[in-house]
Amino acid sequence: GDSVTQMEGPVTLSEEAFLTINCTYTATGYPSLFWYVQYPGEGLQLLLKATKADDKGSNKGFEATYRKETTSFHLEKGSVQVSDSAVYFCALSEGTNAGKSTFGDGTTLTVKP
Amino acid sequence: KAGVTQTPRYLIKTRGQQVTLSCSPISGHRSVSWYQQTPGQGLQFLFEYFSETQRNKGNFPGRFSGRQFSNSRSEMNVSTLELGDSALYLCASSMGQTNTGELFFGEGSRLTVL
Repeated sequence: GDSVTQMEGPVTLSEEAFLTINCTYTATGYPSLFWYVQYPGEGLQLLLKATKADDKGSNKGFEATYRKETTSFHLEKGSVQVSDSAVYFCALSEGTNAGKSTFGDGTTLTVKP
Repeated sequence: KAGVTQTPRYLIKTRGQQVTLSCSPISGHRSVSWYQQTPGQGLQFLFEYFSETQRNKGNFPGRFSGRQFSNSRSEMNVSTLELGDSALYLCASSMGQTNTGELFFGEGSRLTVL
């Protein structure tokens, strides 16, 4: 079955540092890939997405590129802020059926001033 | 556009009781999915409903059940509660068809079983 493996946390960075959170996946077909973010006390919200190989998703300074050859979707940001502190989830869904998405375990990011 | 609304936000139950959680999806969304989030297991898929029919089911015991109404609102029920059922239960809605797989989550219902 489908699976998502993401870098274990927690990750602690200083403000303006470079961020990378690794994510690799296993899927039977051609999935869409997502990064969701969860702030304390809230549900998950979509950060960015990519629906086919070589697509780059971007939002709020975060980027991730869909790499089919390495089955990866690593999240990057050039300069993190304290407000980026949250839990980040990598996820995939097969075809048009978003309902049964598969999530990684989440990576907790703490950014210190 | 109103987001996904879950009620109640917090609840405390004792072992053996049952609980019903409610989810109102974004207007126009026909798919509602439920996930269990715990510190040890992460996000686990429970089930998905589309047009009042269960379309997918995760690996949870039969004590976990759900349904969807004609207005797309959904409920999930957990019977004979166990301590291990303590978790954040997240509801997510999506268009259900011809979309790229994006889920819209509610803030969750935090269940504590004593």
